[in-house]
Amino acid sequence: AQSVAQPEDQVNVAEGNPLTVKCTYSVSGNPYLFWYVQYPNRGLQFLLKYITGDNLVKGSYGFEAEFNKSQTSFHLKKPSALVSDSALYFCAVSPLSGGYNKLIFGAGTRLAVHP
Amino acid sequence: EAGVAQSPRYKIIEKRQSVAFWCNPISGHATLYWYQQILGQGPKLLIQFQNNGVVDDSQLPKDRFSAERLKGVDSTLKIQPAKLEDSAVYLCASRHAGGNEQYFGPGTRLTVT
Repeated sequence: AQSVAQPEDQVNVAEGNPLTVKCTYSVSGNPYLFWYVQYPNRGLQFLLKYITGDNLVKGSYGFEAEFNKSQTSFHLKKPSALVSDSALYFCAVSPLSGGYNKLIFGAGTRLAVHP
Repeated sequence: EAGVAQSPRYKIIEKRQSVAFWCNPISGHATLYWYQQILGQGPKLLIQFQNNGVVDDSQLPKDRFSAERLKGVDSTLKIQPAKLEDSAVYLCASRHAGGNEQYFGPGTRLTVT
């Protein structure tokens, strides 16, 4: 079965420190990979995507993600966390079968950045 | 560019009642999605439209949920009759034909009592 795992319910980091939010997936073939962020009472906002090419992709608000095909992982990173980065982060994959770009989401990881 | 619009933002109903949600996608986006997000979980796809045609409704509980996109623009999602387990946020998203990422609306938070 196709699935996405975000092994940490919550990640705590001090402001100014680097952060990593982990994501692994189980999807056949070469899926598209995405990160979205959700602030309270708001919809999901697109952060970044991996389609093909360089394994390190850069996105909005200084976030980047590293694709590792052998480990089927797509971890979200940021060199220096801000308190305003505190939110709920979702990893998602889009299987290419069927060609209609549906998204399969992980359960989400809550990022808490402390001053 | 206006984003995806949804209404209402909040709805409280009793079980066995009916409810409808409305979505207006970003102008020009041919693909429209409805997701259900239960508290503590990631969004789960309910139905996907390409223009006014359904391309994936495999996870839609068809005995109580229905959706339409008659003119290929706005869409409505209906639940009749509602159950307690339908309490969730219902998210609408749209995607441009030439793009990969989906753009989400603010969602409708449904509480069934």
